[in-house]
Amino acid sequence: EAQVTQNPRYLITVTGKKLTVTCSQNMNHEYMSWYRQDPGLGLRQIYYSMNVEVTDKGDVPEGYKVSRKEKRNFPLILESPSPNQTSLYFCASSSTTEGYEQYFGPGTRLTVT
Amino acid sequence: QKEVEQDPGPLSVPEGAIVSLNCTYSNSAFQYFMWYRQYSRKGPELLMYTYSSGNKEDGRFTAQVDKSSKYISLFIRDSQPSDSATYLCAQVAQGGYSSASKIIFGSGTRLSIRP
Repeated sequence: EAQVTQNPRYLITVTGKKLTVTCSQNMNHEYMSWYRQDPGLGLRQIYYSMNVEVTDKGDVPEGYKVSRKEKRNFPLILESPSPNQTSLYFCASSSTTEGYEQYFGPGTRLTVT
Repeated sequence: QKEVEQDPGPLSVPEGAIVSLNCTYSNSAFQYFMWYRQYSRKGPELLMYTYSSGNKEDGRFTAQVDKSSKYISLFIRDSQPSDSATYLCAQVAQGGYSSASKIIFGSGTRLSIRP
């Protein structure tokens, strides 16, 4: 089954404790992206990647890091999480020939206390 | 000013009604326009996309783009309770969909169809 998986689905952590949210897709997509979704603000792009070792900032990259060492994986790293990073996070992927159709993962709800 | 503006709703209509959802945008460089549907506790899924101005129809759904007024719409005919979801408009910026692209989403409109 074609899908995007994220782990963990739910995470409660404390300020400053480094964490990684994993994202993996099995569709051989070149393009992958991370979003955060907040009430009233909608989906905002954090980082995106056109292919292995190629990443670029979205609209809200501050406080986040990403890496793309393999085509299928695109982890999101929070080096020192803060409460304002409490949000619902989505990973998405698409082929570059049909980039308008992004396939989203199920989401990761992160709470930073 | 946000690049994409969307009325958050909520919008509640009776079953069978025609629904109109709208977005405005400010960046003339946008060329690809998408509508995503998001059910509660799920990730968004693509509903329709259009390129440049004009209409595109898919079953009960019609997407409309007016580039002169920077206005995009989604119409749902014969609305069903299963259409109850949040609808997000989205545009592709910088370079088009086949190159390195930022994708800008609206904040979403929550739609409820009453049986």
